[in-house]
Amino acid sequence: DGGITQSPKYLFRKEGQNVTLSCEQNLNHDAMYWYRQDPGQGLRLIYYSQIVNDFQKGDIAEGYSVSREKKESFPLTVTSAQKNPTAFYLCASENRGSGTRYFGPGTRLTVT
Amino acid sequence: EDQVTQSPEALRLQEGESSSLNCSYTVSGLRGLFWYRQDPGKGPEFLFTLYSAGEEKEKERLKATLTKKESFLHITAPKPEDSATYLCAVQLVGGGADGLTFGKGTHLIIQP
Repeated sequence: DGGITQSPKYLFRKEGQNVTLSCEQNLNHDAMYWYRQDPGQGLRLIYYSQIVNDFQKGDIAEGYSVSREKKESFPLTVTSAQKNPTAFYLCASENRGSGTRYFGPGTRLTVT
Repeated sequence: EDQVTQSPEALRLQEGESSSLNCSYTVSGLRGLFWYRQDPGKGPEFLFTLYSAGEEKEKERLKATLTKKESFLHITAPKPEDSATYLCAVQLVGGGADGLTFGKGTHLIIQP
């Protein structure tokens, strides 16, 4: 069953702690993306990767870091430098041919 | 200035009452326009891709159309299960960063 998985679904952390969100895909897509979604603001791009071992900053990369060591995996670390980390985080991968981006189920992060 | 604008922001319909959602864009060099459905607490689900003016795509009660400046998502005889937020996204030819711009969505409620 092909698709994108994100874990965990819910994550709670104390302020000042780093936290890593998992994203795995078995669609054989080269490109992967991380978005943040807040009420009334739409989807905002954090980081993206077009190929293994390479990634670029999106519009709101400050306070976040990523790695892309394997084609299937694109984990996102929310660091203590991120000033307002509580949000719904979405991972996506893209079919290069059609340009269609497919999303995972999301991780809701709450930092208190 | 927003490049992708969706209207209305919210729409409440009675079951069976057909209507249309709008996605207008102010960019040139469109590579593709994408429609997604998002249920609360879940990731966006891909619906349609449109590539050129005049193109139409259908799926069950949904029909997407595209002109040179806007796209419509027509909902015919909707049911309560069609309630969701509908997102559109525009992909540009040679677009910078990740090349995809999302609108803020239309929150659709279908009342029984």
